[in-house]
Amino acid sequence: AQRVTQPEKLLSVFKGAPVELKCNYSYSGSPELFWYVQYSRQRLQLLLRHISRESIKGFTADLNKGETSFHLKKPFAQEEDSAMYYCALSVSEGSEKLVFGKGTKLTVNP
Amino acid sequence: NAGVTQTPKFQVLKTGQSMTLQCAQDMNHEYMSWYRQDPGMGLRLIHYSVGAGITDQGEVPNGYNVSRSTTEDFPLRLLSAAPSQTSVYFCASSPTGSGANVLTFGAGSRLTVL
Repeated sequence: AQRVTQPEKLLSVFKGAPVELKCNYSYSGSPELFWYVQYSRQRLQLLLRHISRESIKGFTADLNKGETSFHLKKPFAQEEDSAMYYCALSVSEGSEKLVFGKGTKLTVNP
Repeated sequence: NAGVTQTPKFQVLKTGQSMTLQCAQDMNHEYMSWYRQDPGMGLRLIHYSVGAGITDQGEVPNGYNVSRSTTEDFPLRLLSAAPSQTSVYFCASSPTGSGANVLTFGAGSRLTVL
């Protein structure tokens, strides 16, 4: 069965420090992976997807098929990065159905 | 362009009552879905639809019904509410084909069942 694991419920860093939010997945096919973010009092929104290979708001994520990971990284965290982050996996190639991890709440302290 | 609109934003029910959470989108998206968000559980898929007249179950469908009579609307019905259904509910939509998986979410509906 498809599964997404985010091992950290809470992550706290200081402004300017590097941050890495971990995501591991289990899926037998060719995965499509995403990071969604929910800022305080805002809607859940897409942050980035692995096929785009973009850097959004300074965040990057690389798909590592060998380690079945899709960790989200930013070299210098900002206070406005404080939010709830969800890693998500498409359950089949091109499918709209997403399986979400349990989320990591990131707090960036001043 | 309102995106995905959910009503109501807040609702308190007594055990056994029924209600419908409304979801409407104006983006002509074929795919619509309902998730529930619980602390420590993340987002779990309840039901989804790939087009008008087509619905299917997600991970946690028990206690919920859906229908999709139009492209725009995808209501979620609780026939007999239980305290275990206390949660925040999110409706999300996306196009199919190119752009699929990029979900647009509603603002959420917070439901409390006493």
